[in-house]
Amino acid sequence: NAGVTQTPKFRVLKTGQSMTLLCAQDMNHEYMYWYRQDPGMGLRLIHYSVGEGTTAKGEVPDGYNVSRLKKQNFLLGLESAAPSQTSVYFCASSSGGATGELFFGEGSRLTVL
Amino acid sequence: GESVGLHLPTLSVQEGDNSIINCAYSNSASDYFIWYKQESGKGPQFIIDIRSNMDKRQGQRVTVLLNKTVKHLSLQIAATQPGDSAVYFCAENRRGISSGSARQLTFGSGTQLTVLP
Repeated sequence: NAGVTQTPKFRVLKTGQSMTLLCAQDMNHEYMYWYRQDPGMGLRLIHYSVGEGTTAKGEVPDGYNVSRLKKQNFLLGLESAAPSQTSVYFCASSSGGATGELFFGEGSRLTVL
Repeated sequence: GESVGLHLPTLSVQEGDNSIINCAYSNSASDYFIWYKQESGKGPQFIIDIRSNMDKRQGQRVTVLLNKTVKHLSLQIAATQPGDSAVYFCAENRRGISSGSARQLTFGSGTQLTVLP
């Protein structure tokens, strides 16, 4: 059982370049999330999705776009990367319900030069 | 704004001793709290959760205590082992206004637990 898989795991971009991070989950979860983690800080929610075809803004959505065309996939896009977007990005999924436990991927480290 | 924070950024304990990691929260409307463990180079991993209608919850070697009066959360790890070395995050849940059961978690900055031999 793979759980939550993120690709790529590492990427270096130049300012202004675009890229997409892919998150795939095989647990049939309805809810998916993208977080960023910066040194000395907790995870901050960028965008999330409550189901296929839906997306919503989180705490820090500016500069990012997302899409959930298939239930198992949640894509995070950077149209014009900036150095401030250098971070470790984590995808998570959950089934919802009473517990709301989030299952996280192993992270994607992005460096913007 | 409201936030979740931790009292200490680092904690070192001897192997076999008990560990206590503390967390303060300020959102009185939060109804659900979670502790996550993050090992180096990995994503956060769920440890234990507690709802606001409870004061204490126990798991395997871990106990979470919730004091709503002073908005304080703690994680107790019994007989700490080397494998417990990690960063521990508390998170509070702000239920989405119109997003069903989607959990908008607010994470603290984390406490680095180091287990000494």
